[in-house]
Amino acid sequence: KAGVTQTPRYLIKTRGQQVTLSCSPISGHRSVSWYQQTPGQGLQFLFEYFSETQRNKGNFPGRFSGRQFSNSRSEMNVSTLELGDSALYLCASSRRQGMNTEAFFGQGTRLTVV
Amino acid sequence: AQKITQTQPGMFVQEKEAVTLDCTYDTSDQSYGLFWYKQPSSGEMIFLIYQGSYDEQNATEGRYSLNFQKARKSANLVISASQLGDSAMYFCAMREGNNFNKFYFGSGTKLNVKP
Repeated sequence: KAGVTQTPRYLIKTRGQQVTLSCSPISGHRSVSWYQQTPGQGLQFLFEYFSETQRNKGNFPGRFSGRQFSNSRSEMNVSTLELGDSALYLCASSRRQGMNTEAFFGQGTRLTVV
Repeated sequence: AQKITQTQPGMFVQEKEAVTLDCTYDTSDQSYGLFWYKQPSSGEMIFLIYQGSYDEQNATEGRYSLNFQKARKSANLVISASQLGDSAMYFCAMREGNNFNKFYFGSGTKLNVKP
């Protein structure tokens, strides 16, 4: 059974550019969430999608956006990149929603903004 | 206030010995779930163990067990018989019943297993 797939694995972008990251969840999983991981701030929740609807959003500026498609695949977009956006972006998928639901994570996309 | 606190930035343990990684949490919800994840250098977060707030018994999964002390709001991970492959970052996380769409993560503990 294939795990969560994130593409690309590595990205280098210039300040001011925009970037799109992709996440393919485990087959049958309908919930996809995104996290930003940095050495200074740790793991921070970005947003969660379930059945193509954003159910929850973290405390990030509007430059961060996402969407989920009918096949549960998800993309997140960051516009007008800043140096501080350099991070590991992790996607997680779950079969359903619920407090006792484990999430399966991808290997992440490492974004470097120069 | 921090939702999840991990006070051990780094720990060493001798191979084949047991080790306890500390985690305390803060929530006003009666229903919540506590998780531990392992993150090797490859970056992927690997699920280890889950404990529900209403579970009366401590969770166990192979060499992993969770020492759940509800009154103290602690959920420590115990790894028995450490192996070299256990060297990684370990994160404690929580989902709250009233806001279950997101995990709150701690800052992590870097575990090094010495041969």
